[in-house]
Amino acid sequence: NAGVTQTPKFQVLKTGQSMTLQCAQDMNHNSMYWYRQDPGMGLRLIYYSASEGTTDKGEVPNGYNVSRLNKREFSLRLESAAPSQTSVYFCASAEGQGTYEQFFGPGTRLTVL
Amino acid sequence: KNQVEQSPQSLIILEGKNCTLQCNYTVSPFSNLRWYKQDTGRGPVSLTIMTFSENTKSNGRYTATLDADTKQSSLHITASQLSDSASYICVVRGMDSSYKLIFGSGTRLLVRP
Repeated sequence: NAGVTQTPKFQVLKTGQSMTLQCAQDMNHNSMYWYRQDPGMGLRLIYYSASEGTTDKGEVPNGYNVSRLNKREFSLRLESAAPSQTSVYFCASAEGQGTYEQFFGPGTRLTVL
Repeated sequence: KNQVEQSPQSLIILEGKNCTLQCNYTVSPFSNLRWYKQDTGRGPVSLTIMTFSENTKSNGRYTATLDADTKQSSLHITASQLSDSASYICVVRGMDSSYKLIFGSGTRLLVRP
């Protein structure tokens, strides 16, 4: 039981390059989330998927797109990376919304030069 | 406007000592309050989740308290261990129908031998 897995662990991009961050969970959870964590700030929600087949914007969606590929997988795409997107990205999943606990992956550390 | 404020920003204690971390929030009304532990280079892990009607909840050596009237929560760590060195994040969910969790920026705790 791996929980929430993310790939890659580290990535360096040049400004303007694109990439996709992958996330998968094996807990049969309905809801999945993408956050970014910046120094001195709390985690901020980029996009979420309340259930398979749905996605919605979070607090800071600009510059990102997501795909809920199936119930297990939720990917985050940067179409044209910018230095402001340098951050640590966390994927999380939960059985549902509300009081359900969110389980986080180990994170992807992204640097955009 | 930062709706979840944590103090102190950082704290150093000796192994075996107790400590208390503070969280003040302005989110109102709120549904639940969570405390997460985040080890360096890892994703956050849930310690406790309390609804607005709960005053205290324990998880081993961790005890969280909540005063919904003053909008304050604390996390008390008893008999600290070196493995308690981590960031502790207070998270509040509002009562509305949205997804949104509001994260504090965390307290970084270092336990020294």
